[in-house]
Amino acid sequence: GIQVEQSPPDLILQEGANSTLRCNFSDSVNNLQWFHQNPWGQLINLFYIPSGTKQNGRLSATTVATERYSLLYISSSQTTDSGVYFCAVLGGTSYGKLTFGQGTILTVHP
Amino acid sequence: DTGVSQDPRHKITKRGQNVTFRCDPISEHNRLYWYRQTLGQGPEFLTYFQNEAQLEKSRLLSDRFSAERPKGSFSTLEIQRTEQGDSAMYLCASSVTTEQFFGPGTRLTVL
Repeated sequence: GIQVEQSPPDLILQEGANSTLRCNFSDSVNNLQWFHQNPWGQLINLFYIPSGTKQNGRLSATTVATERYSLLYISSSQTTDSGVYFCAVLGGTSYGKLTFGQGTILTVHP
Repeated sequence: DTGVSQDPRHKITKRGQNVTFRCDPISEHNRLYWYRQTLGQGPEFLTYFQNEAQLEKSRLLSDRFSAERPKGSFSTLEIQRTEQGDSAMYLCASSVTTEQFFGPGTRLTVL
């Protein structure tokens, strides 16, 4: 099946810093989503981005499908950005199975 | 706009007992998914329904697991003869396209 790798596994920032999270995937995809998992376990949708670039406030994402990677940018980080960020893809042969990466644990200190 | 809801939010059970979880999708979402997440890992796919039809199942879904969506609305996930290895967060998601939206999860602890 499709493989998803996220980097870095852990990231520690001071409030106000910028960061880039990376997601590599091993095959063509029909869908790519970025999620933020809060301390209670809820997965919050950040971006639905199988290709191209999107922005939402301080967050933006870019997926280059032909090169099989996606980037999530966080600018001017805040303590509330802390948590786990997951990339998940829907492989070309599946209709429903999202395959998740291992996540990036982000800690933002005041 | 009401999101995906799951019940219960927490369940503690003894090994060998049966448990059942419920998921109510976002209204008019015809696709429903179940995932399992263990500590420190990303969620893993279990199964997928389109309306009432179960279209895809993971090999993780052993014979002790069964999922239903009888009327194409809410879904239930039952685990029979629970084992300590079943302790995890069970997540439900729904969609109308390929973008999936997740519920808050049911955290299962098997003693």
